[in-house]
Amino acid sequence: ETGVTQTPRHLVMGMTNKKSLKCEQHLGHNAMYWYKQSAKKPLELMFVYSLEERVENNSVPSRFSPECPNSSHLFLHLHTLQPEDSALYLCASSQDSAGTGSTDTQYFGPGTRLTVL
Amino acid sequence: AQSVSQHNHHVILSEAASLELGCNYSYGGTVNLFWYVQYPGQHLQLLLKYFSGDPLVKGIKGFEAEFIKSKFSFNLRKPSVQWSDTAEYFCAVNPSGGYNKLIFGAGTRLAVHP
Repeated sequence: ETGVTQTPRHLVMGMTNKKSLKCEQHLGHNAMYWYKQSAKKPLELMFVYSLEERVENNSVPSRFSPECPNSSHLFLHLHTLQPEDSALYLCASSQDSAGTGSTDTQYFGPGTRLTVL
Repeated sequence: AQSVSQHNHHVILSEAASLELGCNYSYGGTVNLFWYVQYPGQHLQLLLKYFSGDPLVKGIKGFEAEFIKSKFSFNLRKPSVQWSDTAEYFCAVNPSGGYNKLIFGAGTRLAVHP
């Protein structure tokens, strides 16, 4: 499989549940990202990982916990979410995270549509 | 705060009409600029990008965009749209320096009628 994949594609969870979103990139990239796309709001960057190290946390609540065990996999662990956390969660990857130019083009996965009841 | 504005939220065109989608950003430094497209049921795909050099960049499917630094703009254009261009279009800015982080506009939904 090529590109960036995400599982599950759809997830419904209660506020007391714990679940995880998974992202895998098959592009040999070194940087991975989580974004949140809420209705009627622009895509918001949540986390940036470079070579498995978190380098950016965009003021995300602690009920979202990312994990990057290697440069190909990225997880987003969810616990005690709120209904307002319902959104499309997108994963992306890029060759590097330095923001220097041509190597930082980000490639996106299809997203996980999360509904919190 | 850095932001990206896309002025048109919904655009409806007939096939063969010309398209221009506006994008303005607020950041005084050097930026890298992107247009992404999301076709119905598909994931975000890169349409074109600008890093340096010629401010008129050409992307896939006949799209182009022009970077006008003095206007902080990066408008997307296509001379003649097709029904298959129906999609949502997102402008994004990556301020140079620091970590790679895209700042997205709210998107423009384009509907092309045959």
